[in-house]
Amino acid sequence: DAKTTQPPSMDCAEGRAANLPCNHSTISGNEYVYWYRQIHSQGPQYIIHGLKNNETNEMASLIITEDRKSSTLILPHATLRDTAVYYCIVRVPQGNAGNMLTFGGGTRLMVKP
Amino acid sequence: KAGVTQTPRYLIKTRGQQVTLSCSPISGHRSVSWYQQTPGQGLQFLFEYFSETQRNKGNFPGRFSGRQFSNSRSEMNVSTLELGDSALYLCASSSGLGDGYTFGSGTRLTVV
Repeated sequence: DAKTTQPPSMDCAEGRAANLPCNHSTISGNEYVYWYRQIHSQGPQYIIHGLKNNETNEMASLIITEDRKSSTLILPHATLRDTAVYYCIVRVPQGNAGNMLTFGGGTRLMVKP
Repeated sequence: KAGVTQTPRYLIKTRGQQVTLSCSPISGHRSVSWYQQTPGQGLQFLFEYFSETQRNKGNFPGRFSGRQFSNSRSEMNVSTLELGDSALYLCASSSGLGDGYTFGSGTRLTVV
């Protein structure tokens, strides 16, 4: 799986958009970008994933650059409950042939009132 | 639908003992993975089971083992516990369709 680089920490004001960047310059053509977050002492929670098109769901939006070497997770209206560590992972969805996630250090997002 | 259930939530053991942790995946999920999380090493992959077979294994000593039953429930075992085994152990289940993993809340193991 390709390596990712994320800033170790970020702050965001409550109600504002939180934009979390991720660099994955060595991503290969069949690797997807996944985002998870982990709220203190809980298991990681799946947020969103994408291949090359921008994706949106009820939690967030994922913007992937045209060359796919970087992406941005957007939380449109951050709340205090969004304070967590956010992990960007790139991998091939191996389906039933084998699954594992390689977590980096992630970005610790602090949403402030 | 019910999420991933891990038991127990907390556990305290002494050095040299062994421990067994349990994970019940989401109904219909056949892939179960285990992860160890420590402050120093972060989240690290232990192993993954699918249809009762171990398919992937991380870089952990042989003291760490696991198994999966026919109903997809999984257990992991750590023998001869060391202080450094103190960690949050997380289980994740997947349908295998590339739509992401669902993690349990974890078992926090403290070795004293």
